[in-house]
Amino acid sequence: DGGITQSPKYLFRKEGQNVTLSCEQNLNHDAMYWYRQDPGQGLRLIYYSQIVNDFQKGDIAEGYSVSREKKESFPLTVTSAQKNPTAFYLCASRADFSGNTIYFGEGSWLTVV
Amino acid sequence: QKEVEQDPGPLSVPEGAIVSLNCTYSNSAFQYFMWYRQYSRKGPELLMYTYSSGNKEDGRFTAQVDKSSKYISLFIRDSQPSDSATYLCAMNENSGYALNFGKGTSLLVTP
Repeated sequence: DGGITQSPKYLFRKEGQNVTLSCEQNLNHDAMYWYRQDPGQGLRLIYYSQIVNDFQKGDIAEGYSVSREKKESFPLTVTSAQKNPTAFYLCASRADFSGNTIYFGEGSWLTVV
Repeated sequence: QKEVEQDPGPLSVPEGAIVSLNCTYSNSAFQYFMWYRQYSRKGPELLMYTYSSGNKEDGRFTAQVDKSSKYISLFIRDSQPSDSATYLCAMNENSGYALNFGKGTSLLVTP
């Protein structure tokens, strides 16, 4: 089935540790995105990528890093510099950069313990 | 002022009721409008997509855009308990790089 796969679904991290969230899509989409969702905050854009080996910061990129070495993969690393990382993380993709609808994965829950 | 405003609710209605969900926006350049449905602890799923002004109907769902008032609506007819979810509006300009989301409205349909 075509879609966006995020893993892991649930992740616990100790303070001071980096963690990487995986996002894979088999939709052959060019653009990929990472959003963060907190209760009452809506969706906030962390990073986005239009093409392989290129990505740009979104509204809340501090404490996060990404890579785009393959078209189908866009992993997000939550670094120890992120002050409040506990949140629901959503990966999304769009067919091309000027396209108008994006599709989401099922999300990853990160909890700092 | 936020670019997209959406009442967070919660909105509680009895089964069978007509539901009206709304968003207002400030950027007159927005051309494309979407509604997403998000169940608890799940990713949002695209429900409706509309370009410019007008109505679009899909089954029990109708999306309406009034660009002159900068106001969009989603109507759900014959609402079902399975419609209980958070509904997010989203929109962007013709050449925008990312969607602008509302914060979502929580809907509860009671049997």
